[in-house]
Amino acid sequence: NAGVTQTPKFRILKIGQSMTLQCTQDMNHNYMYWYRQDPGMGLKLIYYSVGAGITDKGEVPNGYNVSRSTTEDFPLRLELAAPSQTSVYFCASSYYGGGETQYFGPGTRLLVL
Amino acid sequence: AQSVSQHNHHVILSEAASLELGCNYSYGGTVNLFWYVQYPGQHLQLLLKYFSGDPLVKGIKGFEAEFIKSKFSFNLRKPSVQWSDTAEYFCAVNVGLTGGGNKLTFGTGTQLKVEL
Repeated sequence: NAGVTQTPKFRILKIGQSMTLQCTQDMNHNYMYWYRQDPGMGLKLIYYSVGAGITDKGEVPNGYNVSRSTTEDFPLRLELAAPSQTSVYFCASSYYGGGETQYFGPGTRLLVL
Repeated sequence: AQSVSQHNHHVILSEAASLELGCNYSYGGTVNLFWYVQYPGQHLQLLLKYFSGDPLVKGIKGFEAEFIKSKFSFNLRKPSVQWSDTAEYFCAVNVGLTGGGNKLTFGTGTQLKVEL
C-alpha cells in the first residue's frame, strides 16, 4: 500500500490564483481530513469527510473548498489564493471515526506571493 | 473548546539523556490521546496512543507515555534518546465531530534536537 499520497509536494502561487491540492489513499478508509500546519501553531483542521459525497467544515475552512466523489480521493481547492494561505497542508485518513488512528500524507508546501 | 498545551517548544539533549515532554489537555469528557512524530522532511507518524485501560502506554522506538487523568496530562518519555530521535513531536487529543469522524486537536509541537 502507498498509504496517503499528496501532490504536488511544493507550489508557488500568485495572489488571486487558484489551485487544487490532490490527496489519494489506497487503504479503503472512510474518513479523510485536511489540515494545515503553520510554524508554532500545530495543525488545524480545514475540512473533513466521513465518506464519498459527504464533507463538512473544520476549524479553518474559509478560502477553501473540498469534494469527495470517490472513497480514495479528497481534493482541496483554493479559489483565490491569499498570503495567509501560505502553509504546509496535510491530508489524513482513518477507517473509522471515534478515536481511530489517522494516517498522514507527506504534505504539500504552498507559498502564496 | 478543547485545547492541547505543549510547554516545551524547543528541547536540546545529548545522546543517552532522558527525555520527558509535557502535554496537557483541556477537555472534560472521554479522551483519546496521541503522540505523533515528524522527522525532518517526513510526514507525521503515530508514536503511540491511549484509548483506555493501562495508563502507561508503550510505543515505537522505546517511547512511552503516561495518562494521568487527574492532571489532564499525557507526558511522553524515553529513558535514553538517540541522535535519530531528532524530530518534532506533537501531542493530540481526539474529539468527536458533529458530522461524524474525529478531529485531532494538536499541540503546537516540541522540536527536539539530540546532539552527539
